[in-house]
Amino acid sequence: AQKVTQAQTEISVVEKEDVTLDCVYETRDTTYYLFWYKQPPSGELVFLIRRNSFDEQNEISGRYSWNFQKSTSSFNFTITASQVVDSAVYFCALSEAVGGGADGLTFGKGTHLIIQP
Amino acid sequence: DSGVTQTPKHLITATGQRVTLRCSPRSGDLSVYWYQQSLDQGLQFLIQYYNGEERAKGNILERFSAQQFPDLHSELNLSSLELGDSALYFCASSVVAGGGITDTQYFGPGTRLTVL
Repeated sequence: AQKVTQAQTEISVVEKEDVTLDCVYETRDTTYYLFWYKQPPSGELVFLIRRNSFDEQNEISGRYSWNFQKSTSSFNFTITASQVVDSAVYFCALSEAVGGGADGLTFGKGTHLIIQP
Repeated sequence: DSGVTQTPKHLITATGQRVTLRCSPRSGDLSVYWYQQSLDQGLQFLIQYYNGEERAKGNILERFSAQQFPDLHSELNLSSLELGDSALYFCASSVVAGGGITDTQYFGPGTRLTVL
């Protein structure tokens, strides 16, 4: 069975600090997809990134970067120079590519990130 | 704005009642997913429909059912409601390319259900 673990329940940093959110996953499939979503206080789930298991290149998007390491089954998310608007709950999720890509996402419990001014 | 719409935004009802949550997917998306977010269980996948047919099932209770209509909107029906059903219910949609490719799921704003 697939599983996603986000061991950090809550992280609090001061604005402009860098912060890394950890995500460790378990799957028996060789083909799978990993996602990060952001849930701000308003409650909606906002898509941030999708990565398939064959693409281990790290990705950078502005102040956001992701480090995917199959050897350690991790897909960590770093925010550089954090801002108050980054305060949210961040979810890591996994989807196994079975049945032609038809599967729900398995989510971690989320990390509540608090950026203090 | 993801392009996925959900109604109503809030719903308050009593135990034993039945409610219907509605979702309209993004334009062009054929697949609709339902998720439940609660403090106890976190975010859980309930069920998926693709082009009108049930495609995958997650942790959906027998008291819950869903369907997708020809215009691709979907409804989640929750019956014999219990206090523990109080949660945020999300709908998501994706294109679903098939062939082993998992598309990104875009989420609606959610319906907050409170069972009293």
